[in-house]
Amino acid sequence: ETGVTQSPTHLIKTRGQQVTLRCSSQSGHNTVSWYQQALGQGPQFIFQYYREEENGRGNFPPRFSGLQFPNYSSELNVNALELDDSALYLCASSGASGEYNEQFFGPGTRLTVL
Amino acid sequence: SQQGEEDPQALSIQEGENATMNCSYKTSINNLQWYRQNSGRGLVHLILIRSNEREKHSGRLRVTLDTSKKSSSLLITASRAADTASYFCATAGGFKTIFGAGTRLFVKA
Repeated sequence: ETGVTQSPTHLIKTRGQQVTLRCSSQSGHNTVSWYQQALGQGPQFIFQYYREEENGRGNFPPRFSGLQFPNYSSELNVNALELDDSALYLCASSGASGEYNEQFFGPGTRLTVL
Repeated sequence: SQQGEEDPQALSIQEGENATMNCSYKTSINNLQWYRQNSGRGLVHLILIRSNEREKHSGRLRVTLDTSKKSSSLLITASRAADTASYFCATAGGFKTIFGAGTRLFVKA
């Protein structure tokens, strides 16, 4: 078990709604990355936050947004949910933004959009 | 889009046998990482190999990297039923980590 926690564990929403997912980083980590993992696929990078600023973004539309707080916890917000947004959402924290820093993943939030 | 492509997509072996998974990628990398995921839960980092390294060991794991062929392999020796999981390779460039689609390993007791 890593020290990264995510909430909620499962969530069911309907198309068009908005959702907020939460992540608490491992103690001492200032970088959080979010990933979307569709069934049977590998995780897809959404974005990364470093010291409360977005540090980079993958190929996701603007309706995917995020926040990082002074305690380095983080939120992923998705507006105007679509059926294809159904997936496992993973956050990962690391001690710094550099690529050689090991990422510690949380257990994920399973989002179902009906 | 996914950078890495794992091969095979699925692998079923007997306990005690070795399991080999391969990964190919498309662009230049600074490092390549292997992760394990149990039953659609969080990923666990297994090993990182840098672009200037050719082989790395960690316990029963052996990873090789061939940057000229843009490929890597993960060998798990003396597999156990508890090794049953999905294994992903991931490449890192800057802030971004790109995962492949994974190999699903099933180890029969």
